[in-house]
Amino acid sequence: GQNIDQPTEMTATEGAIVQINCTYQTSGFNGLFWYQQHAGEAPTFLSYNVLDGLEEKGRFSSFLSRSKGYSYLLLKELQMKDSASYLCAVMDSNYQLIWGAGTKLIIKP
Amino acid sequence: ETGVTQTPRHLVMGMTNKKSLKCEQHLGHNAMYWYKQSAKKPLELMFVYSLEERVENNSVPSRFSPECPNSSHLFLHLHTLQPEDSALYLCASSQELGAGGTEAFFGQGTRLTVV
Repeated sequence: GQNIDQPTEMTATEGAIVQINCTYQTSGFNGLFWYQQHAGEAPTFLSYNVLDGLEEKGRFSSFLSRSKGYSYLLLKELQMKDSASYLCAVMDSNYQLIWGAGTKLIIKP
Repeated sequence: ETGVTQTPRHLVMGMTNKKSLKCEQHLGHNAMYWYKQSAKKPLELMFVYSLEERVENNSVPSRFSPECPNSSHLFLHLHTLQPEDSALYLCASSQELGAGGTEAFFGQGTRLTVV
């Protein structure tokens, strides 16, 4: 079966750095997405990785290792507004998105 | 604002009621999706439409009935639901189906409570 694993909840301090991990087992691979979802709001696109390596976009970076079936989202200089759920999703060989359950990130002052 | 609008935002319905959820996108996208989001569970893909044709129905009970009258609108018709159907129903669209790297744009969802 297809499976995406990510931690249920993480806590970090304002101004710090946090890394949210995602491991996956899917039938085929056509890229990995990270989305941010604030409570009661729509998920919004953060990043897309299809090749190994690090993609940096401002305070957020996303890393992919296809051989290890592993990705992480790195958030730097954390702000209170970064408190949200972070969803990892993999596009499989049929171009369907397989979703993780999301990681709820709590930022403390 | 993501360009995908869902109404209503909240809905409470009895198990014998019939209601419809509406989704509208003016992004010029060709693919539209219905997802179910339950607490602490992965997003569940329910239906996929590409160019107004249904291309995916992931074993969804017949009490959920989708309709896509044109490329900008998507409906989810609900009837005789069960309490376990209470969840956040998200609509999404993407430029096209079957292309890697095509991000999905989500609506804010309809919070459905079945009583």
